[in-house]
Amino acid sequence: ETGVTQTPRHLVMGMTNKKSLKCEQHLGHNAMYWYKQSAKKPLELMFVYNFKEQTENNSVPSRFSPECPNSSHLFLHLHTLQPEDSALYLCASSQKQGTSTDTQYFGPGTRLTVL
Amino acid sequence: KQEVTQIPAALSVPEGENLVLNCSFTDSAIYNLQWFRQDPGKGLTSLLLIQSSQREQTSGRLNASLDKSSGRSTLYIAASQPGDSATYLCAVTRYSSGNTGKLIFGQGTTLQVKP
Repeated sequence: ETGVTQTPRHLVMGMTNKKSLKCEQHLGHNAMYWYKQSAKKPLELMFVYNFKEQTENNSVPSRFSPECPNSSHLFLHLHTLQPEDSALYLCASSQKQGTSTDTQYFGPGTRLTVL
Repeated sequence: KQEVTQIPAALSVPEGENLVLNCSFTDSAIYNLQWFRQDPGKGLTSLLLIQSSQREQTSGRLNASLDKSSGRSTLYIAASQPGDSATYLCAVTRYSSGNTGKLIFGQGTTLQVKP
């Protein structure tokens, strides 16, 4: 257990559905991250929040909408996804973004399948 | 654009062997370099973090080195065990005055240690 939890662990959805992924960290960290891990591709950063403010959007399509209501919770709202969006979505947190000693702690991920 | 490459993509060794995993990156302007471990279907666990001013870090049977000038890092695993079987990911934190703390990952090396 890393102190970062994600729900659900598995999700199957149709292209017209709307769903949300949830991430919660119990580490007292101030920065939270969403990553996408597709088969045969490197892990890709999607969004970064630092003290609840979005500091990075890595050219992610608008069908992915993040929300960070507080430093402990991070959501990823999904709507009208495509089959190529099927992947493992990982959440991470760290004490403070942008320091040379900052280590990110990852959750177990949500395995998303879009039909 | 920073690119991270890991060689080999897969490695199978008998138990007890010492082994080296390689990571190279194209831009030496980094905050730090990290090695992560990922077990199948799970999130990432941070193994070692080397700051840009450091040359190496050690933790137990693991030793990671960093040569910024040549854009290379190695992860040395001594006396490998079946429990070391996992995918090992290398990531650099990109340095930018306006956009710090972004991890760029390699595709990973999948290690199998046979009993």
